[in-house]
Amino acid sequence: GNSVTQMEGPVTLSEEAFLTINCTYTATGYPSLFWYVQYPGEGLQLLLKATKADDKGSNKGFEATYRKETTSFHLEKGSVQVSDSAVYFCALSPPTGNQFYFGTGTSLTVIP
Amino acid sequence: NAGVMQNPRHLVRRRGQEARLRCSPMKGHSHVYWYRQLPEEGLKFMVYLQKENIIDESGMPKERFSAEFPKEGPSILRIQQVVRGDSAAYFCASSPITSVFNEQFFGPGTRLTVL
Repeated sequence: GNSVTQMEGPVTLSEEAFLTINCTYTATGYPSLFWYVQYPGEGLQLLLKATKADDKGSNKGFEATYRKETTSFHLEKGSVQVSDSAVYFCALSPPTGNQFYFGTGTSLTVIP
Repeated sequence: NAGVMQNPRHLVRRRGQEARLRCSPMKGHSHVYWYRQLPEEGLKFMVYLQKENIIDESGMPKERFSAEFPKEGPSILRIQQVVRGDSAAYFCASSPITSVFNEQFFGPGTRLTVL
């Protein structure tokens, strides 16, 4: 079946620290992989995506590489800002079917 | 191009009442998905609809929950005789007919509180 396992939070970092949020998945076939971000009181916004092995998604300084051999899609950012405080969700979309499968979310708080 | 619209943003109901949640997809999108986010959990798929058709309702509870996406107007998620366990955030997403890499665009959600 399809599932996403995500690093549990909450995570608290100082501004300019390095961020890693781990995400691993199980899937039938070759899924597309996504990171969504949810700011307080808002819906989910697509942060980045990757559609095949070794693809690297990137946006706003965040990066994640689709690793088929380790079934992982870890999110990284070299220098976080206070404005990055949010909940981050890893998700997959299988090659067939229409639903997304989400991880449980990781809450990030960045302190000045 | 306006994003996915959901209303109300917050809804309070007493046990036994009905909750009706509305979702207007992005312009040009004909596919709608509903997800539920329980406290401290990720989003769980409920139902996938196209205009006038339910395509996949494998995530919908068997009783009290129903969804529709009429030819005209928004998609509606209806919860009859609500119970406290229905308290959650309900998110709607939409995608166009030809969705590149199956990307879905999410609305801001409706936060349902059952007293």
